[in-house]
Order: sequence, then structure tokens, then C-alpha cells
Amino acid sequence: QSALTQPASVSGSPGQSITISCTGTSSDVGGYNYVSWYQQHPGKAPKLMIYDVSNRPSGVSNRFSGSKSGNTASLTISGLQAEDEADYYCSSYTSSSTYVVFGGGTKLTVL
Amino acid sequence: QVQLQESGPGLVKPSQTLSLTCTVSGGSISSGSYYWSWIRQPAGKGLEWIGRIYTSGSTNYNPSLKSRVTISVDTSKNQFSLKLSSVTAADTAVYYCARGVRRADAFDIWGQGTMVTVSS
Repeated sequence: QSALTQPASVSGSPGQSITISCTGTSSDVGGYNYVSWYQQHPGKAPKLMIYDVSNRPSGVSNRFSGSKSGNTASLTISGLQAEDEADYYCSSYTSSSTYVVFGGGTKLTVL
Repeated sequence: QVQLQESGPGLVKPSQTLSLTCTVSGGSISSGSYYWSWIRQPAGKGLEWIGRIYTSGSTNYNPSLKSRVTISVDTSKNQFSLKLSSVTAADTAVYYCARGVRRADAFDIWGQGTMVTVSS
């Protein structure tokens, strides 16, 4: 069981927007602004899409945005494209001895 | 730009020690803004953080693996390494090395990953 809870799957049609949630506790997501999101295509390494809750690394499309409310962080992808179909993972700093925790991952299907 | 590359045996026998090395190219491993981590992913499953090392040599490990894990760094070779002892089939996974951004605890650069199978 992962420390952070994500939905197993989400789907959307091209052009639509979807949101993936990531729920933790006050010891991780809720207590710190150190939430990151990663995109992973099959057979590939994860790619950093969002850090510090809502910041995008250079080169990441502005269709990707992040936010947080309480113990739940969210990744929103607007203007869905076929290439967005992938697995998405959240992670957070945690004050527990685990230091870094990941969510279980969400499979995004573009219909 | 900075790139990471994992290397090591793809097959390890049960009860033996898994050893992997990550070579950093295109930049210095000694940058104080980063730390260096190992992360693994069993087939069809999620990511699991194994541990990290700072170039000072300070380490942190996932408590679930701490008794079996050692991460070390060789700044002269621009490499860091993972040793996982007493492996079982449950340790079969793709192992990634990654660069962690200290202030954000985000992993901004990843190696391509290397598959390690534990089997006799």
C-alpha cells in the first residue's frame, strides 16, 4: 500500500481537461509544499512534470498544472492530447523516517 | 546536459547482494544543490524510493529496506552505487538512479533504468 493515494485510472477525450488527485496526510502533502508529479510512458523512465506543488520545469507544457488543498494535491492536464496517455505518479517530502513517498500511480487513458 | 546511466548485473541469485552503479555525465556529482537517489519499480507496479546520498557522504534510507541497503559515492569517478543484500524474488524490479533537487525533494533527472531479476 502506497503512502499517497491516487485513483487507479482516469480518462478523457482529446481537448478535454482531467484532474488527478493525490491524497496524503499532514505529515507529507498537507504539511509541506514539496509535492512533485511525474509522467511515465511504458518502458520509459519517469519525467518530472511539476515540483513544489505548482512549478513546471523548463520545457514542460503549460497544459500541465498543479495545486494543493489541505492534504490533497492535484495535477490538471488541459487540452488533452494522445501523447498525454501515460502513468502519472505524485510524490512528496514526508517528515516521517521515509523521507520521500510516492503515490501508487494513475493510468491516464485518452479516449 | 547532465545524464545518468545505470550499470550492473541483470541477474542476481537469491540471498546474494545486488550491486549497481550510476555514472553521472555532463556535470559534476559534487554540486551542492542536489542529492543522488535510487528508486525501483517492480513490473506493473509503482515507484519505491530506496534511498539517497549527498556528496558529503550522508545517507538516508527507506526504513523498509534500511537493514539491507548501502549507498555510496565516488566523486573522483562521478559515480554513486547501490548495494542491496540478501535479495529475494521480491527485489526483482527496474532500478533507476535519479538526481534529487535538495530544496524541492523532486527528481529532475533519471537514468533509463536497469532491470534486475532475482532468480537461481
